[in-house]
This record gives sequence, structure tokens and C-alpha cells, in this order.
Amino acid sequence: TAGITQAPTSQILAAGRSMTLRCTQDMRHNAMYWYRQDLGLGLRLIHYSNTAGTTGKGEVPDGYSVSRANTDDFPLTLASAVPSQTSVYFCASSDSANTEAFFGQGTRLTVV
Amino acid sequence: GQSLEQPSEVTAVEGAIVQINCTYQTSGFYGLSWYQQHDGGAPTFLSYNALDGLEETGRFSSFLSRSDSYGYLLLQELQMKDSASYFCAVSHSGNTPLVFGKGTRLSVIA
Repeated sequence: TAGITQAPTSQILAAGRSMTLRCTQDMRHNAMYWYRQDLGLGLRLIHYSNTAGTTGKGEVPDGYSVSRANTDDFPLTLASAVPSQTSVYFCASSDSANTEAFFGQGTRLTVV
Repeated sequence: GQSLEQPSEVTAVEGAIVQINCTYQTSGFYGLSWYQQHDGGAPTFLSYNALDGLEETGRFSSFLSRSDSYGYLLLQELQMKDSASYFCAVSHSGNTPLVFGKGTRLSVIA
């Protein structure tokens, strides 16, 4: 079972450029999330979606946008990257009970 | 808002027992979870507590006291492979995202 797949696994991006981080799950989970992880700051929520067609803002949403056109996919877009967006990005999903979240392997993004 | 506090680092000896504490402040409470993350890897689920008491899964146990807004993760018979970061997380309803603590880095030494 693939679970959650993120792409790319790593990327170096020039400041000012745009980029979409891809996330696909095959567990038919309703809820999906994007977190960023920075040393000493833990996992911080960027955006989330409770079901296809709906999205919500997390703790650190500025500079990021998401869409949820269907159950399986939840892409994260950086419209104009800045160096402070250098981080490891994790996509996750959970079922309706929200008792367990499943994480992708992460995307390591470096903005230069 | 929600906030969680856990120690930043813990060191323990192989074969010993270690307890990682987590206190939380939240406007509502649905459950407390624990996740393990090895360096370079993704967080993986360890346990979930919605009710007071101890939940045991092999060498790992998790405890919750809702009245004290407190929980802990107990790791027994420590092994070197248990060296990792451990995160507590809370949700305040069934359809709200998990909010994570900053993590506790556990180092197991010989």
C-alpha cells in the first residue's frame, strides 16, 4: 500500500519562483494536511482540508495556497518563494475519526 | 488557541525506562496522540488517548489525565533504535487538525 506519496523529495528553488508540492493518498481519507518542520519549531500546520472541495488555514498559511479538487490529491503552491520558506514539508491524512494521521516522506525545499 | 509543552531533550540508558511528559492548553479537547520521528524520516503514529488512563502497546505506553491536561509516553526496555524525536499532539474535535508540540529528542546510550 502506497499510503501518502509526496513529490518531489527535494528541490532547490530560486527566490521569486513559484512551485507546487504534490501530495496524493490512496487511503480515501477525508482529511488532509500540510505541515512544515523547522529545527526547534516542531510541525506547524500550513493549510488543511476536511473533505474534497473545502480548505482551511492553519498556523502559518501566508505565502502558501492549497486546493482540494478530489479526495486523493492535495497540492501545496508557493506563488513566489522566499528564503524563509526553506523547510521540510510534510503532507498527512487522517480518517473521519481523526485518531491517527499518516504522513508522507516529506519534501525538502531550499529557497535561495 | 492550543499549546503543548514537552522537554526538548532526554537521554536514557539502553535497557532502562524513560518517560516523556506533555502538558497542553487547548480550548477544547478530543484526544492526545504521540508520534515518533527518526532523523530524516516521517512522523509515525505511536498511540492515542481520548480517555483518562494508560494505553499499552508493546514496550510503549501512553497515559492521559484530562483533568490535569497532562499526558506522558513511557518507553520500556529501551533500545538504541528508540533514539528519535517524539511529538505529542492534540486535537480539539474530530474534524480539526492535530496541533503538535515541538518534540522531545530522545538519545539512548549504551
